Amino acid sequence: DAKTTQPPSMDCAEGRAANLPCNHSTISGNEYVYWYRQIHSQGPQYIIHGLKNNETNEMASLIITEDRKSSTLILPHATLRDTAVYYCIVRVGAGNTGKLIFGQGTTLQVKP
Amino acid sequence: DAGVIQSPRHEVTEMGQEVTLRCKPISGHNSLFWYRQTMMRGLELLIYFNNNVPIDDSGMPEDRFSAKMPNASFSTLKIQPSEPRDSAVYFCASTSQWTSSHEQFFGPGTRLTVL
Repeated sequence: DAKTTQPPSMDCAEGRAANLPCNHSTISGNEYVYWYRQIHSQGPQYIIHGLKNNETNEMASLIITEDRKSSTLILPHATLRDTAVYYCIVRVGAGNTGKLIFGQGTTLQVKP
Repeated sequence: DAGVIQSPRHEVTEMGQEVTLRCKPISGHNSLFWYRQTMMRGLELLIYFNNNVPIDDSGMPEDRFSAKMPNASFSTLKIQPSEPRDSAVYFCASTSQWTSSHEQFFGPGTRLTVL
């Protein structure tokens, strides 16, 4: 299974962009990159996913390098409510039965 | 939409007792996942079902753990007998084959404490 590497923690000033990096150098050609976050002790929440192209939705943007060995999640205007653990995951398997193998994630602290 | 529903939200039991955790997936979803989260091991996938059939139970720690999905709207995770090292937060998640993102929707979790 493709592994991901993330920094254990990051800080970001409120209102600034938060850029969270992730390395997935062993990713296979048909494996998707997913990002989830977990606020305090709630269940994880889906943010965004991508295969090759950059993606954007109402929550965030995902930038994937051309060789697909790394990606960056961008929260354009971080708020205090974005303080959470962010997980970068390479989904194993296809479709809705694909497995999410969670790593340790990055704890993002948004500061006033 | 009520989201994924888990019960109980908190469970405190004594070592050796049987524990049953319950999950109701989002209506229309056809895949269901059970996870366990601890400080030491993080979030681990225990087992998942597709169309009520167990697909992969390789994450189930040992024979004391069992999971069932008798119908599309209900699943249980049972621990018998429970041990203190089973203390964790157990999450249930569901997803649908009809969503392009295949995102998993997580429930609020059950916090289990085994004394």
